[in-house]
Amino acid sequence: GAVVSQHPSRVICKSGTSVKIECRSLDFQATTMFWYRQFPKQSLMLMATSNEGSKATYEQGVEKDKFLINHASLTLSTLTVTSAHPEDSSFYICSVRTGRLNQPQHFGDGTRLSIL
Amino acid sequence: LAKTTQPISMDSYEGQEVNITCSHNNIATNDYITWYQQFPSQGPRFIIQGYKTKVTNEVASLFIPADRKSSTLSLPRVSLSDTAVYYCLVGDMDTGRRALTFGSGTRLQVQP
Repeated sequence: GAVVSQHPSRVICKSGTSVKIECRSLDFQATTMFWYRQFPKQSLMLMATSNEGSKATYEQGVEKDKFLINHASLTLSTLTVTSAHPEDSSFYICSVRTGRLNQPQHFGDGTRLSIL
Repeated sequence: LAKTTQPISMDSYEGQEVNITCSHNNIATNDYITWYQQFPSQGPRFIIQGYKTKVTNEVASLFIPADRKSSTLSLPRVSLSDTAVYYCLVGDMDTGRRALTFGSGTRLQVQP
């Protein structure tokens, strides 16, 4: 069964809207979650690492004020794309690792964000 | 982080065995090798993971030579539903605080 639940699966909204994406770890407590972005025909690019109870760590080139991450509990991380514009249209995917040794990283089914 | 190199694309026919090789010349001692499958508009799905020699599960085998500078994912008898992008990732399987980095992946097209 699914290990990671991501919601919504698809969002279409107008430019200037802020959009929140939720990522839930279903089977275990995840102190760390990851957010990726994927453009068409390209690979996944890590955006940020979400740490429960502390500030997220952003990759170079990712605007922290644009992509707000909140990891308020051990099973939920949210990514808010603030004042979204057409160039923010992409496929956003969250991921978790269990924290146990040698366990693989699990991914959500992604959120397709389309900004008109 | 170890960089991975895979073929951009591969073609096969139903029922054939498909082997996808990944190069990771600067793999570190603590790194594991993990393969994922991704269908369009879905998140990556874990296939198999290994450290050395051979690992087999119900869907695939993973062959890792002694020097660990490469690995080969083997899909025994592919079907049309195996058409997808396959990613080879190398990373430290520690407590899980660091994310895996994706390379370009291999786009496998299975024909009838």
